[in-house]
Amino acid sequence: QQQVKQSPQSLIVQKGGISIINCAYENTAFDYFPWYQQFPGKGPALLIAIRPDVSEKKEGRFTISFNKSAKQFSLHIMDSQPGDSATYFCAASNTGNQFYFGTGTSLTVIP
Amino acid sequence: DTAVSQTPKYLVTQMGNDKSIKCEQNLGHDTMYWYKQDSKKFLKIMFSYNNKELIINETVPNRFSPKSPDKAHLNLHINSLELGDSAVYFCASSPGGTARYEQYFGPGTRLTVT
Repeated sequence: QQQVKQSPQSLIVQKGGISIINCAYENTAFDYFPWYQQFPGKGPALLIAIRPDVSEKKEGRFTISFNKSAKQFSLHIMDSQPGDSATYFCAASNTGNQFYFGTGTSLTVIP
Repeated sequence: DTAVSQTPKYLVTQMGNDKSIKCEQNLGHDTMYWYKQDSKKFLKIMFSYNNKELIINETVPNRFSPKSPDKAHLNLHINSLELGDSAVYFCASSPGGTARYEQYFGPGTRLTVT
């Protein structure tokens, strides 16, 4: 059973546009929701994370929006750049030991 | 300075063989993990160790055995390799306390079983 559902599977955005990736979860015990960025041949790298007591968190061009009642959260990449082309994973955790990852979104930013 | 390192980066072997992947972190973290990323890029946790003690052991065949000789190392030994074991294996670590959720991943080991 997929604990965290992620969409879309792939996304193509023009340079300067906004990239939006969505995730949904069922387990209300989750208390930490990170996003990871993975380039080909590399390990995932923590990009930004949010806790459920906050509805939005922004770091530079990256913003997480969190809707606790809908059990959904999303990543917004503003002013998308070709260098942002990568696979993005959402994840959820409830203990700091167990992490459940979404299925990933392959983002391509066209110059 | 590599924070989380894995060796080897690539591993090609035949079915039935036994192989090991090594992981070391120089971040002083308390918790280490092994993940498997399949051909569709799905990441799934396999094991989690905290201060050399196993705390999470997902539904993984017992052919996979993690070993943590000390807090900075977590190795993965795989017996009787099967075709379905082909994947990229990632080691990760995280600090304790309030930052325990922040995972740092290694570069991965691509295992190919022929």
